Amino acid sequence: DTGVSQDPRHKITKRGQNVTFRCDPISEHNRLYWYRQTLGQGPEFLTYFQNEAQLEKSRLLSDRFSAERPKGSFSTLEIQRTEQGDSAMYLCASSPADVSPPSTDTQYFGPGTRLTVL
Amino acid sequence: AQKVTQAQTEISVVEKEDVTLDCVYETRDTTYYLFWYKQPPSGELVFLIRRNSFDEQNEISGRYSWNFQKSTSSFNFTITASQVVDSAVYFCALIPRGRDDKIIFGKGTRLHILP
Repeated sequence: DTGVSQDPRHKITKRGQNVTFRCDPISEHNRLYWYRQTLGQGPEFLTYFQNEAQLEKSRLLSDRFSAERPKGSFSTLEIQRTEQGDSAMYLCASSPADVSPPSTDTQYFGPGTRLTVL
Repeated sequence: AQKVTQAQTEISVVEKEDVTLDCVYETRDTTYYLFWYKQPPSGELVFLIRRNSFDEQNEISGRYSWNFQKSTSSFNFTITASQVVDSAVYFCALIPRGRDDKIIFGKGTRLHILP
């Protein structure tokens, strides 16, 4: 399977704990995106990377959230001091889009990590 | 404002009926991209179609068809001869500009196909 993969698929944690999620994009995809989806809503953009550079962060991404893509391949999303409001599905997507020339390519999504904060 | 509206929260139809999912979008940009994704109970978003703002041709793929009308800012999705496996949440989505690829999703339409 060469699609986007995410680990873990489910995470249950207690309020105040730190959690880390991993995303492996489709091989050779330059861009990697993180979205958050709460019940009954569409996904909302959190942040994205062009190779290893984090180019934009949504205001939804509080100081407790940090994302990295150190070698331009997989990415991690860490949430520190989790709160009940962080409970959601965290989706990762990747696309081959290049900066030069600028392009918009289709984003392909992984299965998501469902976080439950008790 | 950049926005996608899916007015139908939930639809139920009997298997083999045709069903249309509505999508209305708002954007100030002249270049933009529209998408439909399917989210089955497993949770993974499955890409269905991408359309750019300069291509108003309607598209058919098997039992799926899409009607893009810039005049009404709509990008509707029709499933012909629906099947139980079509049951899912369907999201319409917009990317307003080529260099800024944050997808703006609608709230989704939950489709139930009854046997």
